[in-house]
Amino acid sequence: AQSVTQLDSQVPVFEEAPVELRCNYSSSVSVYLFWYVQYPNQGLQLLLKYLSGSTLVESINGFEAEFNKSQTSFHLRKPSVHISDTAEYFCAVEDWGTGGTSYGKLTFGQGTILTVHP
Amino acid sequence: GAVVSQHPSRVICKSGTSVKIECRSLDFQATTMFWYRQFPKKSLMLMATSNEGSKATYEQGVEKDKFLINHASLTLSTLTVTSAHPEDSSFYICSASSEPYEQYFGPGTRLTVT
Repeated sequence: AQSVTQLDSQVPVFEEAPVELRCNYSSSVSVYLFWYVQYPNQGLQLLLKYLSGSTLVESINGFEAEFNKSQTSFHLRKPSVHISDTAEYFCAVEDWGTGGTSYGKLTFGQGTILTVHP
Repeated sequence: GAVVSQHPSRVICKSGTSVKIECRSLDFQATTMFWYRQFPKKSLMLMATSNEGSKATYEQGVEKDKFLINHASLTLSTLTVTSAHPEDSSFYICSASSEPYEQYFGPGTRLTVT
């Protein structure tokens, strides 16, 4: 069974500062990796995902994450945050090495609340 | 983007009663829907996976007789919490998918059992 650990439950930063939200996972099979964002009173939205190919993936609003297989990590970064980035961020994994029986089954981390201060 | 709604957003019920939560995909047909439960300061935990027209597949430890899931159409899935007790109080979230690696989440339903 896989597990996902988000090491920081809360990350406060000032506007325009860089930020890194950490995510580590454990799995005995190959995985797909996701970051979701949840704004207040809204559902989770997909921010970015790694399925295959380049280990560095980017979102349309300036976030990026790098898949590091040796360290089993998928940390989320942004070089300069905005007030509007304040939200809760969830890292998730999906096994794909189990013959298709785990299709769509996401295992989530505990979430990291990012608060951007002016 | 694809929109998934949940109704109600909040519900309070008395212990021993049943409550139904609806999950709808508003602008796409969802072949698969997922139900999650989120405890305070905890991650989302998958409860069950349902495919339209077939029985739901429950995760280990989830009581299928307590959490009844119906996926009668490509746009609607329901979760019924039967004989609810205070320990069932939680935040329930559904997601809908029409293709691999793409899940769209509803805003969640806060259930409080008194």
